[in-house]
Amino acid sequence: DTEVTQTPKHLVMGMTNKKSLKCEQHMGHRAMYWYKQKAKKPPELMFVYSYEKLSINESVPSRFSPECPNSSLLNLHLHALQPEDSALYLCASSPPSGGIRYEQYFGPGTRLTVT
Amino acid sequence: AQSVTQLDSQVPVFEEAPVELRCNYSSSVSVYLFWYVQYPNQGLQLLLKYLSGSTLVKGINGFEAEFNKSQTSFHLRKPSVHISDTAEYFCAVSVGNTGNQFYFGTGTSLTVIP
Repeated sequence: DTEVTQTPKHLVMGMTNKKSLKCEQHMGHRAMYWYKQKAKKPPELMFVYSYEKLSINESVPSRFSPECPNSSLLNLHLHALQPEDSALYLCASSPPSGGIRYEQYFGPGTRLTVT
Repeated sequence: AQSVTQLDSQVPVFEEAPVELRCNYSSSVSVYLFWYVQYPNQGLQLLLKYLSGSTLVKGINGFEAEFNKSQTSFHLRKPSVHISDTAEYFCAVSVGNTGNQFYFGTGTSLTVIP
């Protein structure tokens, strides 16, 4: 199984709502990532979890709150978002580095619209 | 500091013609290089990667790329494109000791014209 799954596929939320995005992989990968991607732009890294611990936070606003409950699951909790947060949110995973860098496996993304 | 440059933001090409998408990187340390493709409303799919060894790497869907250390380039090529190759292509670099972090280029939009 070389798949990263993300739910939901689409999400529309108001600025006062609280919602969560979910990402799951069963490849035994110990690094997981959240990216934000605007149209016609490359993915922008938001968070990196390594062995279930947050290792990188790219100065993301606190209205985005990541959580890694176990080695297979990654959540992104959303609260009080702004319309400019509308984007495709991508999850990715990769094996432990062990001194060698492996590719990241991407999920299909969640298309988020904030109204 | 690391950076990735994709020189062409848009590349139109006729069906069955060859194509080259350019990628240059800057890094003072060893790098690992990747090309990803993104079809509309989908995630990124790995086309090919260079970690070490032979500088010519073959990927999926008939794509190949050549790592050139002296020119710090990793250009993507395909000898004959199909309509289905129309997509966004991203070059990415992973650098040692950066905590699994990728640096993406700005992307090249490939449009195959019938």
